[in-house]
Amino acid sequence: ILNVEQSPQSLHVQEGDSTNFTCSFPSSNFYALHWYRWETAKSPEALFVMTLNGDEKKKGRISATLNTKEGYSYLYIKGSQPEDSATYLCALKTSYDKVIFGPGTSLSVIP
Amino acid sequence: NAGVTQTPKFQVLKTGQSMTLQCAQDMNHNSMYWYRQDPGMGLRLIYYSASEGTTDKGEVPNGYNVSRLNKREFSLRLESAAPSQTSVYFCASSDSGLEFMNTEAFFGQGTRLTVV
Repeated sequence: ILNVEQSPQSLHVQEGDSTNFTCSFPSSNFYALHWYRWETAKSPEALFVMTLNGDEKKKGRISATLNTKEGYSYLYIKGSQPEDSATYLCALKTSYDKVIFGPGTSLSVIP
Repeated sequence: NAGVTQTPKFQVLKTGQSMTLQCAQDMNHNSMYWYRQDPGMGLRLIYYSASEGTTDKGEVPNGYNVSRLNKREFSLRLESAAPSQTSVYFCASSDSGLEFMNTEAFFGQGTRLTVV
């Protein structure tokens, strides 16, 4: 069974702080790495899809990096805002049709 | 554009009852998925379907059956519901195949199921 891990499990930061989370995955059978943002009472929505070692993606204040050789990805949020409060999921695409999710990191941004 | 539509949104079952969760997508995606979400455990894959007519087990398939009725629809059936199946269920779809490696999954709104 493939194991996708995320740390920390939860995080509380002050508004304006920058923060980052980690996603770890087995580097074998790697096809792609996804990051999703999941707000309470809503459905997960994709932030980034990354496929190449060394990939760096950016969307506004959020960015992500990928290291497929060592099996990890980092998600960074610069200058956290209360609206960034959500659970951030990473997911490993292990074949062209199978996607396995990590347990998520729950972020709370305190005004 | 509806995207991924799940029904029902809420359901309460008695232990031993059966029910089917329906999912349909209008994005012409090949792959469809059923996940369950439990506190502290993220999304766990129950079953997935790479194309019409094919289904495969995910991480937690026991107690469930699925049916890929056509390209649009992928249903999840609980034959004899148990309290351990109390969860929030999400259906998702995505493009699949080597030419679609850069595509993400799109999710339905979820079904909150309680088995008493």
